[in-house]
Amino acid sequence: DAGVTQSPTHLIKTRGQQVTLRCSPISGHKSVSWYQQVLGQGPQFIFQYYEKEERGRGNFPDRFSARQFPNYSSELNVNALLLGDSALYLCASSFRDLEGTEAFFGQGTRLTVV
Amino acid sequence: DQQVKQNSPSLSVQEGRISILNCDYTNSMFDYFLWYKKYPAEGPTFLISISSIKDKNEDGRFTVFLNKSAKHLSLHIVPSQPGDSAVYFCAASGYTGTASKLTFGTGTRLQVTL
Repeated sequence: DAGVTQSPTHLIKTRGQQVTLRCSPISGHKSVSWYQQVLGQGPQFIFQYYEKEERGRGNFPDRFSARQFPNYSSELNVNALLLGDSALYLCASSFRDLEGTEAFFGQGTRLTVV
Repeated sequence: DQQVKQNSPSLSVQEGRISILNCDYTNSMFDYFLWYKKYPAEGPTFLISISSIKDKNEDGRFTVFLNKSAKHLSLHIVPSQPGDSAVYFCAASGYTGTASKLTFGTGTRLQVTL
């Protein structure tokens, strides 16, 4: 069975540009969450989507947006990139939206902003 | 505010011995706890979880203990193997409004030596 897949694996962008990251959840999973991990820190929650609806948002600026498609895949968009947006972006999928559910992560997209 | 804390940034253990990784939390609304293992350039891999209604959960070499009154949990790995060398993240979840999100600690780097 395929796990969570993310694309691309690495990306280099210039300040001010826009980026779109993609995620395909595990088959049958309806919830997708996005996390940002900077060096030396644990992953930080950005968004959660369930059944194509935004169910939660972390403490990130409006430059960050996301959506979930009918096939439950998801995209994370970041506009007006800043150097501080350089990080590993992780997508996690889970079967349901409730607490007490394990989340399974993809390998991440390493974004470098120069 | 760091709601999930892993106060030991690193731990070195001999092969065959027990590894004990610790985690403290401050938010009493957390009621589900997870441990993830992360290798460089990979996403976190789910290891084991525990609900707040339990105080112990075992899966093979991995056991998680939860002390709710102390808001403390620990992961025991017995026996430790060189392949266990990785960064271990403690994470907690609790239903916040309409979304369940994971709050991570900063991680403990485990090195298992021969």
